[in-house]
Amino acid sequence: KNEVEQSPQNLTAQEGEFITINCSYSVGISALHWLQQHPGGGIVSLFMLSSGKKKHGRLIATINIQEKHSSLHITASHPRDSAVYICAVTGGSQGNLIFGKGTKLSVKP
Amino acid sequence: DAGVIQSPRHEVTEMGQEVTLRCKPISGHNSLFWYRQTMMRGLELLIYFNNNVPIDDSGMPEDRFSAKMPNASFSTLKIQPSEPRDSAVYFCASSWSGTNEQFFGPGTRLTVL
Repeated sequence: KNEVEQSPQNLTAQEGEFITINCSYSVGISALHWLQQHPGGGIVSLFMLSSGKKKHGRLIATINIQEKHSSLHITASHPRDSAVYICAVTGGSQGNLIFGKGTKLSVKP
Repeated sequence: DAGVIQSPRHEVTEMGQEVTLRCKPISGHNSLFWYRQTMMRGLELLIYFNNNVPIDDSGMPEDRFSAKMPNASFSTLKIQPSEPRDSAVYFCASSWSGTNEQFFGPGTRLTVL
């Protein structure tokens, strides 16, 4: 069993739809990260959180430490949101990231 | 700041050749990470350094892989000899260890024929 599980693996949405991507983890963590990787391949950090909720523009990330679960929400989705979204965790005193397999999102106009 | 810099961006080589990938972290960051991304395995850690010292190299596949960080502004990942199964995108990332937020370089796409 992977330490970080994401669902769904693939997601197709119509422009304007509300999108949710889920992440569950089985290890103790110091922080959870949401990353975005566009077709060109670059990886950008969207959020790093250890509790509660963070919002940036149309993106919202939440985490429930007790349930070891996080969600990434995109409101009013747009084709430019099409990318792979990756959940990753850092555990304890270790700084390295443990990655989920990613969710490939495609938003159709 | 220019961000994390990696070179080369693309590398095509033949099996058996030595390959050296380079990374310049963000100035002031004291942690540096090498990750590999493949279709089959996704992103995985190879090795990471803190204050130029290797902390965890358990992800390094085998003795053909080696990494160095001679100073705070430069790191190399070397594969000798290279094999076709080493074909992947290799990312370098850096962070200030106190915050854990990592900043990724653009990656090096390696193809071993």
